Amino acid sequence: AQKVTQAQTEISVVEKEDVTLDCVYETRDTTYYLFWYKQPPSGELVFLIRRNSFDEQNEISGRYSWNFQKSTSSFNFTITASQVVDSAVYFCALINAGNNRKLIWGLGTSLAVNP
Amino acid sequence: DSGVTQTPKHLITATGQRVTLRCSPRSGDLSVYWYQQSLDQGLQFLIQYYNGEERAKGNILERFSAQQFPDLHSELNLSSLELGDSALYFCASSVEQGAITEAFFGQGTRLTVV
Repeated sequence: AQKVTQAQTEISVVEKEDVTLDCVYETRDTTYYLFWYKQPPSGELVFLIRRNSFDEQNEISGRYSWNFQKSTSSFNFTITASQVVDSAVYFCALINAGNNRKLIWGLGTSLAVNP
Repeated sequence: DSGVTQTPKHLITATGQRVTLRCSPRSGDLSVYWYQQSLDQGLQFLIQYYNGEERAKGNILERFSAQQFPDLHSELNLSSLELGDSALYFCASSVEQGAITEAFFGQGTRLTVV
């Protein structure tokens, strides 16, 4: 069975703090893809990153970084020097590369960055 | 702007009614996905179409149906609506040619059933 767990339901930080959002996944497949999406208060879902199961390199994009560790089935997301505009719900998702490609979503982490 | 267009943005209807949600994918994208987001169930995958054909099916109720037309736009039909169908319905599109690509989402249609 496939599953994505985002254990942190809500996180509240003060601006400029670093914050890490956790994502743990379960899958029996060897080839799969992981995603992070952001859902700001306006409601749209914004794609942030895609990572395939064969690429364990960490990625940095500006203040955002991702740590993919297959050994712990985790794909954590860190925001450095958080800003108020980072306030949103962040979703981690998993899809297997087989024929039945369903994107499995975590329940999301609501991040509030306070001034 | 993701390039995916959904209409209408808001819809209020009564129980028992039928509605149609429309989605225009990004230019060049062949895959269209429909998702339902509700407070109690989170984001649920409903169905995927690729170049006009159904590719994958998720937790889609029998009262719901979808199709993708030759011009690649898609419609999600919801019938015999119940209060519990109130949710945000997202359409997403991706290139999806062999390798899995990221999906880009529309702004959603907020359906309220009263």
